Amino acid sequence: NAGVTQTPKFQVLKTGQSMTLQCAQDMNHEYMSWYRQDPGMGLRLIHYSVGAGITDQGEVPNGYNVSRSTTEDFPLRLLSAAPSQTSVYFCASSYARPTGGGNQPQHFGDGTRLSIL
Amino acid sequence: AQSVTQLDSQVPVFEEAPVELRCNYSSSVSVYLFWYVQYPNQGLQLLLKYLSGSTLVKGINGFEAEFNKSQTSFNLRKPSVHISDTAEYFCAVSGGSYGGSQGNLIFGKGTKLSVKP
Repeated sequence: NAGVTQTPKFQVLKTGQSMTLQCAQDMNHEYMSWYRQDPGMGLRLIHYSVGAGITDQGEVPNGYNVSRSTTEDFPLRLLSAAPSQTSVYFCASSYARPTGGGNQPQHFGDGTRLSIL
Repeated sequence: AQSVTQLDSQVPVFEEAPVELRCNYSSSVSVYLFWYVQYPNQGLQLLLKYLSGSTLVKGINGFEAEFNKSQTSFNLRKPSVHISDTAEYFCAVSGGSYGGSQGNLIFGKGTKLSVKP
């Protein structure tokens, strides 16, 4: 199994450009999420999904869109890139939402390093 | 609201010495606690988790953590570190009401462990 696959690994954009960060998992996980990692800030949740067709906002959703048309894929779209979105982006997934909520460890991809000039 | 505080941003230690990385959390409800490790230019890997039961949790690579409900702490320990343990370590909490109990993780800001020969 490949686990969680993120593409591209690196990307440089100009301010105002748009792009899509891809995330795919082959573990049939229902829960998927996007985080951004900035120095000294830990990881902050951008958007998440508890299943196909269902998405919701996390802590820092502004400037990003997501959709979940299949169980496997959860792309993150930057609508109009800004220098403040320079970061490392991680996609994660875990098993079906448990009734208690939150007790499933998440599997992370290797990240996409995004620079916005 | 839940939050996670990692009290040390950097911890230098000599090889074969013991180490303890501190993590405090705040939550008014039951939570699940995790420690993740991030090696340079990689994604996050689960070290260990506390869901319920025994307060001493053993993980991979010889790490263990103790859940202390009265002190709201979940400190990570290793009795003898190796050069290969040099990495950034993240404490995380999930469960409760954040994000509608959907499995969202709240991360601390990370502790960089540097093991010197």
